[in-house]
Amino acid sequence: AQSVTQLGSHVSVSEGALVLLRCNYSSSVPPYLFWYVQYPNQGLQLLLKYTTGATLVKGINGFEAEFKKSETSFHLTKPSAHMSDAAEYFCAVSDENQGGKLIFGQGTELSVKP
Amino acid sequence: DTAVSQTPKYLVTQMGNDKSIKCEQNLGHDTMYWYKQDSKKFLKIMFSYNNKELIINETVPNRFSPKSPDKAHLNLHINSLELGDSAVYFCASSPTTTNNSPLHFGNGTRLTVT
Repeated sequence: AQSVTQLGSHVSVSEGALVLLRCNYSSSVPPYLFWYVQYPNQGLQLLLKYTTGATLVKGINGFEAEFKKSETSFHLTKPSAHMSDAAEYFCAVSDENQGGKLIFGQGTELSVKP
Repeated sequence: DTAVSQTPKYLVTQMGNDKSIKCEQNLGHDTMYWYKQDSKKFLKIMFSYNNKELIINETVPNRFSPKSPDKAHLNLHINSLELGDSAVYFCASSPTTTNNSPLHFGNGTRLTVT
């Protein structure tokens, strides 16, 4: 069965600092991987996804993630944090042959200090 | 204008009552989902429908019954509500059931059972 582990339930950075949110996955077949962001009292919004091809994926709002098969990782980064980046971030893996079902990690809350 | 809309946004009710949550998407997608987000923000799929046909039914109590009158609507009816049903319920849709289709989420329905 596929699974996702996000290291750190809470990450705090200063405005302008590097953002690094960690995600490791478990999958017996090549996975499809996603990062979603959830702002307070809102639904989840897709940041980026990896399907096949280039392992460095660029998303919205300056975020990017790199798929590393050897490390079974899909960490999310942003060079310079902005106050508006404060939110909950979810990594997810697609479950093969399960009709588009997404398996989510437990989420990482990002705080940005002025 | 809203892509995936859920009603109501908030739902407060007493144990033992029956309630429904409605979801509509205007994206022309074939697949719709219900996810439950618990108090620790963990997201888990409950159901998925593709063109009105149930394709995913996770281990959910029989008190939960989804209904899809057409592919643009997926409603969730809950009988005999229990305290443990308190959560945020998200509706989502995707173009197809393929593994790399991103999900589009509604803003959630916060259910509180007292």
